[in-house]
Amino acid sequence: KAGVTQTPRYLIKTRGQQVTLSCSPISGHRSVSWYQQTPGQGLQFLFEYFSETQRNKGNFPGRFSGRQFSNSRSEMNVSTLELGDSALYLCASSSRVSGGVTDTQYFGPGTRLTVL
Amino acid sequence: AQKVTQAQTEISVVEKEDVTLDCVYETRDTTYYLFWYKQPPSGELVFLIRRNSFDEQNEISGRYSWNFQKSTSSFNFTITASQVVDSAVYFCALSDPGNNNDMRFGAGTRLTVKP
Repeated sequence: KAGVTQTPRYLIKTRGQQVTLSCSPISGHRSVSWYQQTPGQGLQFLFEYFSETQRNKGNFPGRFSGRQFSNSRSEMNVSTLELGDSALYLCASSSRVSGGVTDTQYFGPGTRLTVL
Repeated sequence: AQKVTQAQTEISVVEKEDVTLDCVYETRDTTYYLFWYKQPPSGELVFLIRRNSFDEQNEISGRYSWNFQKSTSSFNFTITASQVVDSAVYFCALSDPGNNNDMRFGAGTRLTVKP
């Protein structure tokens, strides 16, 4: 099976712009989660999508949003970029079902976003 | 509150040495899951192990072994006869119903194995 793929791998933006990152989960996985990784804050949970619905959301401002399509692919969007949004954004997929117990998350290679 | 602590920020060893990475967690739930991931320089988090709270058996996989002790809320990871390729950042994570089964990661331990 192909792993989790993320595009683009690298992105450079300027403050105030917006950005959209894409994630394709492992075939058959319906749950997609997004994480932000920075040197200062570590790995932080952004949100999780399951069957096109956002199920959980971390403690991030409304500038961070996402969506999931019927084929389970997911996108996350960050509007009005700030310098502090520079980070590695990781996507993970799992076969976790609605209301089910935790299943293992498999991560993609990440998108490294630099905000100038 | 749910929390994962990896007290060792960085560890440096010489090849063939054994090394143990510590992980201490906090949770109010009786059912929970613990994970270890490896993050090499490429950035991708690589899944190593998943353990549920009812299974306290230690696990061994090749040079890797894990020691889960509920009494001390610890889930330590040992690499035996370390190799240069083991150099990476290792993350311990906790998932429990009290937090919507979301994964909370520790700060990570950077392991450097020198030849």
